[in-house]
Amino acid sequence: EVQLVQSGAEVKKPGESLKISCKGSGYSFTSYWIGWVRQMPGKGLEWMGIIYPGDSDTRYSPSFQGQVTITADKSISTAYLQWSSLKASDTAIYYCAKPRYSNTWYYFDYWGQGTLVTVSS
Amino acid sequence: QSALTQPASVSGSFGQSITISCIGTSSDVGGYKYVSWYQQHPGKAPKLMIHDVSNRPSGVSNRFSGSKSGNTASLTISGLQAEDEADYYCSSYTSSSTSFVVFGGGTKLTVL
Repeated sequence: EVQLVQSGAEVKKPGESLKISCKGSGYSFTSYWIGWVRQMPGKGLEWMGIIYPGDSDTRYSPSFQGQVTITADKSISTAYLQWSSLKASDTAIYYCAKPRYSNTWYYFDYWGQGTLVTVSS
Repeated sequence: QSALTQPASVSGSFGQSITISCIGTSSDVGGYKYVSWYQQHPGKAPKLMIHDVSNRPSGVSNRFSGSKSGNTASLTISGLQAEDEADYYCSSYTSSSTSFVVFGGGTKLTVL
């Protein structure tokens, strides 16, 4: 069974750094793209970026390029989303997700449970 | 990059059909057959309902169908059920200076 299990909720202050995780299981982690989607409170979905753990090929939405970093550690089947300096506007639920097929990256069949990030002074 | 344009809300009676539109440009919806639709219930992760314009993943009811004409994609739900009440999002591959994915703003479906 394919599972994406995300790290727990975080409460941070503006300016702090943060790295949240998404552990994949039940499939070959290195053979499928895995992406991140943001959902701000009461708002819609926003595609942030995606990584192919096999070779670390990474693509970002222009809206998030330079704002976050997506990485993956294939030795532990885990993808990461990180910030170097959080802002209050980063408060959101962040989902990781993957496609069913290895040759696609533009839609997601499987989703993590979401990680709530709260940034407040 | 602007989000794809969806109506903020639609409603329909139990058993009826509704259609949700998703308007893009020739750089996204109109240029590729890579439109997807997601359903999201409150407090839940999104669920893929349609991919590649009109393909249903295994397990998704055949009451859900997708189509595209020009720069506009559509999701039709027939025989509305109470459990269909949710938010619906379209998404599309887009390629301008770089390739990525853009979502629509979302549509709240109310089943009357």
